[in-house]
Amino acid sequence: KAGVTQTPRYLIKTRGQQVTLSCSPISGHRSVSWYQQTPGQGLQFLFEYFSETQRNKGNFPGRFSGRQFSNSRSEMNVSTLELGDSALYLCASSLEGAHWYNEQFFGPGTRLTVL
Amino acid sequence: AQSVTQLGSHVSVSEGALVLLRCNYSSSVPPYLFWYVQYPNQGLQLLLKYTTGATLVKGINGFEAEFKKSETSFHLTKPSAHMSDAAEYFCAVSLRSNDYKLSFGAGTTVTVRA
Repeated sequence: KAGVTQTPRYLIKTRGQQVTLSCSPISGHRSVSWYQQTPGQGLQFLFEYFSETQRNKGNFPGRFSGRQFSNSRSEMNVSTLELGDSALYLCASSLEGAHWYNEQFFGPGTRLTVL
Repeated sequence: AQSVTQLGSHVSVSEGALVLLRCNYSSSVPPYLFWYVQYPNQGLQLLLKYTTGATLVKGINGFEAEFKKSETSFHLTKPSAHMSDAAEYFCAVSLRSNDYKLSFGAGTTVTVRA
């Protein structure tokens, strides 16, 4: 069974640009969560999508958005990039959603560098 | 609000020695507790989790953790370190009241000396 895949793995952008990251969950998984990982702030929850609906959202500005398609693939978008958006963005999928019994399987992440 | 504290951002152990990574949580009710491992350039992998029942939880790769409610702790141990254990380890909690969102500790980097 293929794991969670994220594309691209590495990305370099400049301030003010926008970026779209993609996540393909494990086949059959309906929930996709996104996390931002930085040395300073650690791992922070961005949002969770389940059946094409955003079900949970973390404390991030509106520049961070996402969506989920009918095949459960998800994209996240960051507009008007800032230097502080440089991070590893991790995607995690689970069968039914964020619940203690639904293990989240993480992808390898997309390393975003903002210059 | 829940929070997770991992004591020690870096731990160095000799191969064959005990690995002990400390995790304390603050929550008004016992949360669900997790340990994840992250190898370089990879995502997170679940090592083990505590939900209910037995307080000593065994995970993959020889790791185990004990939930101690009185100490609000969930420390991770492995009796004998292996070179392949070099990685970053994250403790995480989730609560029903917080929609089961994972809240992570700052992480502990483990170095294994030959």
